[in-house]
Amino acid sequence: DGGITQSPKYLFRKEGQNVTLSCEQNLNHDAMYWYRQDPGQGLRLIYYSQIVNDFQKGDIAEGYSVSREKKESFPLTVTSAQKNPTAFYLCASRPGTGGGQPQHFGDGTRLSIL
Amino acid sequence: QKEVEQDPGPLSVPEGAIVSLNCTYSNSAFQYFMWYRQYSRKGPELLMYTYSSGNKEDGRFTAQVDKSSKYISLFIRDSQPSDSATYLCAMSAGTGGFKTIFGAGTRLFVKA
Repeated sequence: DGGITQSPKYLFRKEGQNVTLSCEQNLNHDAMYWYRQDPGQGLRLIYYSQIVNDFQKGDIAEGYSVSREKKESFPLTVTSAQKNPTAFYLCASRPGTGGGQPQHFGDGTRLSIL
Repeated sequence: QKEVEQDPGPLSVPEGAIVSLNCTYSNSAFQYFMWYRQYSRKGPELLMYTYSSGNKEDGRFTAQVDKSSKYISLFIRDSQPSDSATYLCAMSAGTGGFKTIFGAGTRLFVKA
């Protein structure tokens, strides 16, 4: 079945540590996104990529980094510069870069501070 | 003012009730409108997707868009306990509209 796989489901970070969240899709979608979800705040866009080897900052990119070396993969690194990383992280993808095709989501990674 | 406003609830209804969920928005460029359902500790699941104004029905769910009032609604008929979840509205502009703006979500409880 086609879909978006995020791993791990739960992740713990120590102070000063960088951690990487995985996102893989087999939907052949061009565009991929990372969101952060905090209680009562909805989804906030961290980074997005419309094509391989290209990505742009979203609304809250500070303390995060991404890469897009393959169409199927869009990993997110939460760096030690992100002082409040505890949140639910969601990866999404959509077929094209134009129009309004809806995004499809993975089941998220919950990141907590140790 | 946020681009998309959605009452966070919680909204509690008895089983079998008709549920009305709503969002308002400020950007008149939005043309594509979506509703997602999100269960606890899961990702949002696309429920309804509409373009421009009008109604769309799918089983027990009806989505309405009123662009003149910048107001969208999701109706759930014969609500079931399994409908208990958070419902997110979302919208995006047309050509070149890569960004989707999400509401904060309304938490719904359907009591058996």
